Amino acid sequence: IQLTQSPSFLSASVGDRVTITCRASLGIGSYLAWYQQKPGKPPELLIYAASTLQSGVPSRFSGGGSGTEFTLTISSLQPEDFASYYCQQLQSYPLTFGGGTKVEIK
Amino acid sequence: EVHLVESGGGLVQPGGSLRLSCVGTGFDVSTSYMNWVRQAPGKGLEWVSVIYSGDNTYYADSVRGRFSVSRDSSKNTLYLQMNSLRAEDTAVYYCARRYDTTGYYVYWGQGTLVTVSP
Repeated sequence: IQLTQSPSFLSASVGDRVTITCRASLGIGSYLAWYQQKPGKPPELLIYAASTLQSGVPSRFSGGGSGTEFTLTISSLQPEDFASYYCQQLQSYPLTFGGGTKVEIK
Repeated sequence: EVHLVESGGGLVQPGGSLRLSCVGTGFDVSTSYMNWVRQAPGKGLEWVSVIYSGDNTYYADSVRGRFSVSRDSSKNTLYLQMNSLRAEDTAVYYCARRYDTTGYYVYWGQGTLVTVSP
């Protein structure tokens, strides 16, 4: 199952609302996770089961979608949110990641 | 508290072998779903392998037949044996443990760097 993320690069300002899309080549139900990764660090789980917020993650992050199209939305971008974001499908092996979206400061 | 620490990375020549280790604390490695994920320099995340109940395993097409995942319950350690290494295997390798309640990968190690170069 291939995951296509868009955009691959996003330039935004603090306070902006941003949305990242992840499209699956086959239906995966809601077996999708979103991760945030900062340079030199491992990924951190933000959202699982497509729309469930992982414990401790700020509520400005939200996920949606099912089947083949999914979104990650940050309602009001904060300075600590400038990072790379990845989707991952857990419907079937081999597990796969999207190509990533780098969010940078405008 | 769950903690994962990888080791064993380093510089290896093309065609060589390396074994990575991932020591777990705060949980039982031998009964957990454990993954290896890698990230080439400046690139995205790539899933590598999983070992789960009954020591069943799956591998990415890019490493199948060359890499082997295993675990040692007495040492609470996960391993990745990497043979016939290629330049494109150069990456930081992370181990990750699935959180059983949700089925998603909450716990990650800090990674170990493998460099394949003459």
